[in-house]
Amino acid sequence: GAGVSQSPSNKVTEKGKDVELRCDPISGHTALYWYRQRLGQGLEFLIYFQGNSAPDKSGLPSDRFSAERTGESVSTLTIQRTQQEDSAVYLCASRKDRNTEAFFGQGTRLTVV
Amino acid sequence: AQTVTQSQPEMSVQEAETVTLSCTYDTSESDYYLFWYKQPPSRQMILVIRQEAYKQQNATENRFSVNFQKAAKSFSLKISDSQLGDAAMYFCAYRRRDSSYKLIFGSGTRLLVRP
Repeated sequence: GAGVSQSPSNKVTEKGKDVELRCDPISGHTALYWYRQRLGQGLEFLIYFQGNSAPDKSGLPSDRFSAERTGESVSTLTIQRTQQEDSAVYLCASRKDRNTEAFFGQGTRLTVV
Repeated sequence: AQTVTQSQPEMSVQEAETVTLSCTYDTSESDYYLFWYKQPPSRQMILVIRQEAYKQQNATENRFSVNFQKAAKSFSLKISDSQLGDAAMYFCAYRRRDSSYKLIFGSGTRLLVRP
């Protein structure tokens, strides 16, 4: 596709349920990032995939959060047993190589009720 | 650890005037990139401008320019002839040039444009 695509655009879930957020990066982009943005705040790094290297998971806030990426294609961010503090916009970005900038998707707004 | 600091939570500018947004960063690296991203209410992050640390010349993109002071670790964004469409959150970001490295963002500055 022409840009980074994220789905769903909005998700409302009940506390305690699991959710999966999807990111389709730009074709050919080797790097992929997930960020969390709480209302009115900055971007909080979650996880980073670079090619076939082991992902940098240093930003995942708890073991309820996990992410997978198949090769250089789609990535899914899974949040288990959601809590109200998980409510945020989850942004995905991809980058072609080390000399280029990252392009962002429009994010998934997650609301836990 | 690398950090990025934006000390202005909110700035206001009159339409057609000039405004400067501040950003400082901390790193021991010498080869890196700096970026300014714009986030309008649509929440799409849009790259405004980027600067390579090894280049002394300040980057410019139309009405947007930066003042990059490597020794002072300062990277400010100047918006000239401000337009209503410039109203948004602006984030400063850092990335080591190494391909294995993540983007680190500041906390953002909300820019208001008065008609």
